[in-house]
Amino acid sequence: GEDVEQSLFLSVREGDSSVINCTYTDSSSTYLYWYKQEPGAGLQLLTYIFSNMDMKQDQRLTVLLNKKDKHLSLRIADTQTGDSAIYFCAEKGINTDKLIFGTGTRLQVFP
Amino acid sequence: DAMVIQNPRYQVTQFGKPVTLSCSQTLNHNVMYWYQQKSSQAPKLLFHYYDKDFNNEADTPDNFQSRRPNTSFCFLDIRSPGLGDAAMYLCATSRGRAYEQFFGPGTRLTVL
Repeated sequence: GEDVEQSLFLSVREGDSSVINCTYTDSSSTYLYWYKQEPGAGLQLLTYIFSNMDMKQDQRLTVLLNKKDKHLSLRIADTQTGDSAIYFCAEKGINTDKLIFGTGTRLQVFP
Repeated sequence: DAMVIQNPRYQVTQFGKPVTLSCSQTLNHNVMYWYQQKSSQAPKLLFHYYDKDFNNEADTPDNFQSRRPNTSFCFLDIRSPGLGDAAMYLCATSRGRAYEQFFGPGTRLTVL
């Protein structure tokens, strides 16, 4: 069945890079997304990658996809205190409208 | 700015008292979704509309219903809220299957 897993917590120092990891099981996943959720707020789409890509870079964000291992990562360069939030990865197949979310990783940035 | 709007942001209801949550969008997207997110959990899809076609998830309780009177608006009706229905309810929209979903700010429902 479909399953998306993430580590629960990550703590980094301000200015360092953060790497948030995600694994998924559905080999038919076509689209993979990263969302950010701040306390009490909705989900903000950060970036996404198609399954035929290995990497996508967008300013401080770099997404890496290893399709063979079904592993997705989000790297945030020069992490700031404003990056503190919960980060969800999500996957979707080509023939479905449904997003399957991971468990979320709480990123804490300390000065 | 084009956006997804949810009202109210906070809703308190009593056990068993029907409640309606509202979502509107200015994006003119075809698809509208309702998710339930309980504390420290991932969002869980309840149902979605592709235009006027309603798609219910198999494990969505009958207590939850939805209406989409036009492209811009979608409502979530909870007929008889229980304590276990207290959660954040998130509305999202998308242009279609091949496109990303954009989320509203959510409505936090408290059941007393």
